[in-house]
Amino acid sequence: GEQVEQLPSILRVQEGSSASINCTYENSASNYFPWYKQEPGENPKLIIDIRSNMERKQTQGLIVLLDKKAKRFSLHITDTQPGDSAMYFCAANNAGAKLTFGGGTRLTVRP
Amino acid sequence: GGIITQTPKFLIGQEGQKLTLKCQQNFNHDTMYWYRQDSGKGLRLIYYSITENDLQKGDLSEGYDASREKKSSFSLTVTSAQKNEMAVFLCASSIWDWGGGSQNTLYFGAGTRLSVL
Repeated sequence: GEQVEQLPSILRVQEGSSASINCTYENSASNYFPWYKQEPGENPKLIIDIRSNMERKQTQGLIVLLDKKAKRFSLHITDTQPGDSAMYFCAANNAGAKLTFGGGTRLTVRP
Repeated sequence: GGIITQTPKFLIGQEGQKLTLKCQQNFNHDTMYWYRQDSGKGLRLIYYSITENDLQKGDLSEGYDASREKKSSFSLTVTSAQKNEMAVFLCASSIWDWGGGSQNTLYFGAGTRLSVL
C-alpha cells in the first residue's frame, strides 16, 4: 500500500521562529495532500490541504509546498506560537478515497 | 454541522476476545474510515467504506473485520484481542469529492480506547 514518510518525528522551535515538516509519498497517482493537527486529548483536525494541480498554498501562517516530481510535500508554520504545539500529520490519498497518514511530528514551541 | 459518535469510549477486553466498536455519523457522508492510533504515533488505516455496503481493506486489516450496515454507521470488530494491546481506534467520515473539489475533509470521532488484559 501507499507509504507516507514524515520527518522529523520531534521538532522543537523557539516562539516566533518557523517550523518545517516534510513528507514523501510513493504513488504518483496521489492527488490530494492534507495536513492535520492533533492537540493532546483531541481528535485530528484538518488545518490545510493541497491538490496536485497546485505547487503552493498559504493560509493564516501556514504554507504547504508540493513537488510532484520528487513526490514530496511540506508544511511550514511561520511565526510559531505556543498554541501551535501539537502533533501534526501529513497524508496522501491512494486510489481515490484511501487516505494514508504519515507517522506524525510532535512540535513543541518554546516561549 | 454534524457529529461522529463512537461507542464505547473505553473498552477493556480479554486476550482472544472478539470485540466490536461502533461508529455513527449524521453528516450524511458517503465515505467512512477506521484508523488505529498507538500512543504518540501516526494513524494507520484499517478499513474504509466508500458508500453503504462497500468495504475496502486498509494497510492494517489483518485481525479486523468491518461492516457498513447503513450509510450512517460503520462498525469494526477486533477478531481476537492481543494480550497487553493498547490503542485508540478513530472513526472518521468524509464527503470525498471525487472531482477534486474541496470536500475531502475527514471529520473524526472522539475515539475508542482499547485495553486488553
